[in-house]
Amino acid sequence: QSVLTQPPSVSGAPGQRVTISCTGSTSNIGAGYDVHWYQQLPGTAPKLLIYGSIDRPAGVPDRFSGSKSGTSASLAITGLQAADEADYYCQSYDSSLSGWVFGGGTKLTVL
Amino acid sequence: LQLQESGPRLVKPSETLSLTCSVSGGSISTAFYYWAWIRQPPGKGLEWIANVFYSGSTHYNPSLKGRVTISVDTSKNLFSLRLSSVTAADTAFYFCARQMKSDQQPGWFHPWGQGTLVTVSS
Repeated sequence: QSVLTQPPSVSGAPGQRVTISCTGSTSNIGAGYDVHWYQQLPGTAPKLLIYGSIDRPAGVPDRFSGSKSGTSASLAITGLQAADEADYYCQSYDSSLSGWVFGGGTKLTVL
Repeated sequence: LQLQESGPRLVKPSETLSLTCSVSGGSISTAFYYWAWIRQPPGKGLEWIANVFYSGSTHYNPSLKGRVTISVDTSKNLFSLRLSSVTAADTAFYFCARQMKSDQQPGWFHPWGQGTLVTVSS
């Protein structure tokens, strides 16, 4: 049971926009800690997608964007492509647990 | 920068799991980063295990503290993980990663090693 809650699954048709939420509490996201997002394609290691809640590493398309408000953060993917089908994880820090934490992960299915 | 995990793929229950992460393409002795271990049981989510600074200072996941030791060898540009008293619940893909170090904000993990599956079984 992760302290960062993500929906187990989301889906969308090619070209559509989907969002993945990451809900925390006052000891993590609500405490002002940044949220980072990772994409894990099947059989591969996670890859950094968004850092500092809103920034994209070089090479990540601007179809991917992040936001944060209060005790939650979101990852938005526009112009959905089949290649986006993957698991997505949020990550932050929790002061109560004194450690870095991940959300439970969300499986994105492109219909 | 590349990271590569190595170590036994099969460990017996109650024994100690030992993994090494070799870092190439950059020095492990940098003030900007931690070096971290993260694991993922098959079909499940990610769990941060521990991180280490090149000076040797460490942070551990409280849920694993007492069983975990992370260490760094700057002369060989690698860092290591030891997890004692393993059970089947410790069966997982183990990833090493570089972690951005920040005093104010949680650092992100990038890049990651390819991961190695360690199975705990007799």
